[in-house]
Amino acid sequence: NAGVTQTPKFQVLKTGQSMTLQCAQDMNHNSMYWYRQDPGMGLRLIYYSASEGTTDKGEVPDGYNVSRLKKQNFLLGLESAAPSQTSVYFCASSYLSSSPLGELFFGEGSRLTVL
Amino acid sequence: AQSVTQLGSHVSVSEGALVLLRCNYSSSVPPYLFWYVQYPNQGLQLLLKYTSAATLVKGINGFEAEFKKSETSFHLTKPSAHMSDAAEYFCAVSPFRGTGRRALTFGSGTRLQVQP
Repeated sequence: NAGVTQTPKFQVLKTGQSMTLQCAQDMNHNSMYWYRQDPGMGLRLIYYSASEGTTDKGEVPDGYNVSRLKKQNFLLGLESAAPSQTSVYFCASSYLSSSPLGELFFGEGSRLTVL
Repeated sequence: AQSVTQLGSHVSVSEGALVLLRCNYSSSVPPYLFWYVQYPNQGLQLLLKYTSAATLVKGINGFEAEFKKSETSFHLTKPSAHMSDAAEYFCAVSPFRGTGRRALTFGSGTRLQVQP
C-alpha cells in the first residue's frame, strides 16, 4: 500500500543550489498537488496538475517549477534555492480533477532546509 | 475565492473532556468541507468530509462535525478527548461548482494538546 511517495524526505541546500522533489502515486489519480507547510500558515498551494501534461499555479508559485510528464509522477523543482523556501513540502493526489473535489491523499512530506 | 478560518491556533483540553475545534468558511457557493488530522512528522489524513448531504458528519476516531450554513461554520467535536488525539487539525474547503482553483484551500491549523 504505497499510496503517495515523496523523495527525498530530508534535504539541506545552500542558497542558490537547485534540486527536485519527486512525488509518485500508485492510485491512478488524475490530480496531483504540491503544498508547502509553514508554522502558523497552514498548507499553501504551490502548483497543481489536473491531468497528465497540464499544470497550474497555486497561491505561492514564485521560485518553483513543476512537471507532470507521467500520470503517476509530479516533480517540484527549485532552480535557485532561497532561505525563504525552507519548509515542509507535501505532495497530494486526488482521483477527481474538477470541482467539487474529493479527498486528497498525502505523502509523508519532504523537509527542506536552505542555508 | 473560497477560504476557511480556524479560530485558535492552540487548544488544550483534559483527557475525557469535550474537544471543540472551530472552522468558519467563506464561499460564494455551497462548498465541500473537510477536516484533516496531522500527527507529528506525518502527512495529513482525512477525518471527515461534508458533501452537501447530511449536515452532521461523522468521521474516524469518534470525531464529528456539523455544517451550519446560517453561521458559515463547520466545527469539529469529540465528546471525550483521548491522549492519542493530540495532533494538528486542519479545516479545508473545495468549491461546489467548477469555479476558481481546482484545489483544496486549507486553514492555518489548530494544534490540540490533551492533558492527562
